[in-house]
Amino acid sequence: EDQVTQSPEALRLQEGESSSLNCSYTVSGLRGLFWYRQDPGKGPEFLFTLYSAGEEKEKERLKATLTKKESFLHITAPKPEDSATYLCAVQGVGAGSYQLTFGKGTKLSVIP
Amino acid sequence: GAGVSQSPSNKVTEKGKDVELRCDPISGHTALYWYRQSLGQGLEFLIYFQGNSAPDKSGLPSDRFSAERTGGSVSTLTIQRTQQEDSAVYLCASSLTTNTEAFFGQGTRLTVV
Repeated sequence: EDQVTQSPEALRLQEGESSSLNCSYTVSGLRGLFWYRQDPGKGPEFLFTLYSAGEEKEKERLKATLTKKESFLHITAPKPEDSATYLCAVQGVGAGSYQLTFGKGTKLSVIP
Repeated sequence: GAGVSQSPSNKVTEKGKDVELRCDPISGHTALYWYRQSLGQGLEFLIYFQGNSAPDKSGLPSDRFSAERTGGSVSTLTIQRTQQEDSAVYLCASSLTTNTEAFFGQGTRLTVV
């Protein structure tokens, strides 16, 4: 069974204070690892897909990296508008299933 | 439309009644997912459709839940004899193929009173 654990559960940063969110996963074989952002009352918004260890993706102040056991979402010089819950999901190769298994998320608050 | 569309946005129903939730995926997307998100919980997988293949129903919590996808496009999630524990946000997502990113709709907030 695929499993995803995200840490910390919540993170408060001062504006401009860089940090990282962690996503640890266990999967029989990785098809892909996905990062999403979710604002209150809205559906998750796609950010990145990573397929293999060593891969990195960047978008504005966000950078996602992947190893064989975990992924990090690095936030550089965050702004208040980066406040949201960040979700990590994996898609494994087991039993022909293509379901995404999600972690419970990290709630990020960026204080002006 | 440009994104995944779900209706209704909000639904309040009485315990024991049946409800239908609708999802219009992004045009051309072959894969469609339903997830449930309860307060303070992660996203719980319910069902997955891929083209004309048999759906993966492994996440449906009971036989009161069912879903169909007509013509490889619109999907309907039906909950029969609703219970209070069914109260949650029901999210639909679609993706172009089996291992590309999934795009989510805004969700349907279901409240069973």
